[in-house]
Amino acid sequence: DAKTTQPNSMESNEEEPVHLPCNHSTISGTDYIHWYRQLPSQGPEYVIHGLTSNVNNRMASLAIAEDRKSSTLILHRATLRDAAVYYCILRAHTPNAGGTSYGKLTFGQGTILTVHP
Amino acid sequence: DGGITQSPKYLFRKEGQNVTLSCEQNLNHDAMYWYRQDPGQGLRLIYYSQIVNDFQKGDIAEGYSVSREKKESFPLTVTSAQKNPTAFYLCASRGDRGSLNTEAFFGQGTRLTVV
Repeated sequence: DAKTTQPNSMESNEEEPVHLPCNHSTISGTDYIHWYRQLPSQGPEYVIHGLTSNVNNRMASLAIAEDRKSSTLILHRATLRDAAVYYCILRAHTPNAGGTSYGKLTFGQGTILTVHP
Repeated sequence: DGGITQSPKYLFRKEGQNVTLSCEQNLNHDAMYWYRQDPGQGLRLIYYSQIVNDFQKGDIAEGYSVSREKKESFPLTVTSAQKNPTAFYLCASRGDRGSLNTEAFFGQGTRLTVV
């Protein structure tokens, strides 16, 4: 499975932009890049995902390098509620007997984001 | 409301006992996953299932077993063979037929303590 590498931790001040990097140098051509975040004592929640083009949604933006070997999650204005562990993951293809392929969704260690008031 | 439910939230068991963690979803999702999380660590995949009556081992399947008899349910049994069962267990589900790159939804987790 293709792996991702993220910094262990990052810090930001409230209302400032945050750029969370992720390296995935062994990504395959059909792997989607997914980002999730996990608040303390909760299950992770989906943030954003993309394949080749940059993506925007109400939570964040995802910038994907042209060679797809890295990506950056952008929080445009960090709030205290954005303090969480952020995971960058790749979807591995594992076809099953029925022909569908949802993949393993393997998580790494993630980046602990601290937001200072 | 649609969602994924894990129960119970906290579970205590004596060493040597098997215990089954419940995971139910009403999202009509085909794929379901079980993860284990230890303090300060990321999520590690135990088992996953992409369709009813089919499941596959993840990275740390030893000492665990699952079943997928119904689309809505994916229970995880922590057996006495699991050497360090105390952990936070998370269940997730994903995807409707025809939407292969959808987001995963997670339950709130079950914190299992074995004494």
